Order: sequence, then structure tokens, then C-alpha cells
Amino acid sequence: EDQVTQSPEALRLQEGESSSLNCSYTVSGLRGLFWYRQDPGKGPEFLFTLYSAGEEKEKERLKATLTKKESFLHITAPKPEDSATYLCAVRSGNNRLAFGKGNQVVVIP
Amino acid sequence: KAGVTQTPRYLIKTRGQQVTLSCSPISGHRSVSWYQQTPGQGLQFLFEYFSETQRNKGNFPGRFSGRQFSNSRSEMNVSTLELGDSALYLCASSPESGSGNTIYFGEGSWLTVV
Repeated sequence: EDQVTQSPEALRLQEGESSSLNCSYTVSGLRGLFWYRQDPGKGPEFLFTLYSAGEEKEKERLKATLTKKESFLHITAPKPEDSATYLCAVRSGNNRLAFGKGNQVVVIP
Repeated sequence: KAGVTQTPRYLIKTRGQQVTLSCSPISGHRSVSWYQQTPGQGLQFLFEYFSETQRNKGNFPGRFSGRQFSNSRSEMNVSTLELGDSALYLCASSPESGSGNTIYFGEGSWLTVV
């Protein structure tokens, strides 16, 4: 069964203090790894899709990277508006998306 | 371009009742999938529909069912509601089904069972 583990579960950062979120996965035949951002009471908002080891994608202060066993979401010089829960998901050969429990990030001004 | 639209946004039902939730995908998207989100279990896959056919199903009891119409709109139904069915139900759409496709979520329907 596909497994996705995100760490740390919760993270408090000072504004401007860069950090990384980890998503480790065990799947048979990775067909894509996805990062989403979710604000309280809202649906997940798509951030990135990564397909193969070595791939990197960036958007504003966020950068996602992928290896054969894990993905990192780097947050550079975060601002309070980056506070959210970040969700990682993988799609494998069974075509289902398996989600991690999320990284809850709070950025303090 | 309008996003995924889910209705209703909030609802309260009594144990034993049934509920139907509706989802309109992004225009041009033919695949619709449903997820249940709870604080304890996170996001769990319910099922996926593509061209009116169920393509994939998660590990939920038969009380959970769905369908898709010819215009790609989808509904999910939960019968004989239990307290544990209280959750945020999320619908997501993608252009095609499967491998590597990015899915886009709606805002969800909050279901409370009392």
C-alpha cells in the first residue's frame, strides 16, 4: 500500500526564517508527486507537480524538489501569509492519490 | 475560468438520514474524484469518475456512492448516516483520468451528522 509521511507535523517560523518541509513516500511506480496548500475551512490549492527524481519547481517563496524517496518544500524568507497546511500527495500505478497528513506552518510577524 | 464548484457548502443531518452532495468540475475537465477529510485520517480517496464510469474506488463502505452525468457534473450520496461521517467532503477535477494528471479541488462541503 502507498504510504506518504510528512514531517514535521507542525512548524512555527519567524517571518524571514527559511525552512524545509519533508514528504517521504513509499509507492510502486511513482506517476507524480503533488504539493497543495490548504487554508482553514477551504479546499486544497494546487502548488506543484513533480514527476521524476532531480526535478525542481519554484513559485514565489516556495521551491519543491524530488528524490527517489522524498520531496522537500523549501520556504524561503516566509511571510505571515505563507501560514497554512501544506499537503503532499503521490499517485502510483493504482491511479489513486495518497495524501500525507500535512505540515501545519505558522509564520509569526 | 471558474473553478470546481461544490454545493451545499454546509449542512447538518441526523444519524440515519441520507445526503447528496453536488460537484461541478472546471469547464472541459472530464474526471471527477471525491475525498473525505477528517482531522484524524486526513484526506482519503472515495472514488473517481470519468465519462460517467467509476474508474477507481477507495476503501469505504457501500453506503458511499456516486455518479457522474454526461456534462461531467458529479454527485455523491451517503446513506444511513453515522456520526463518524462528519467530515469535509472535497471534490476535485482534472482534464483526464489517471497517470500524472493534476487534480484541482473545490472548497468542499462540510457535513455534520448529529
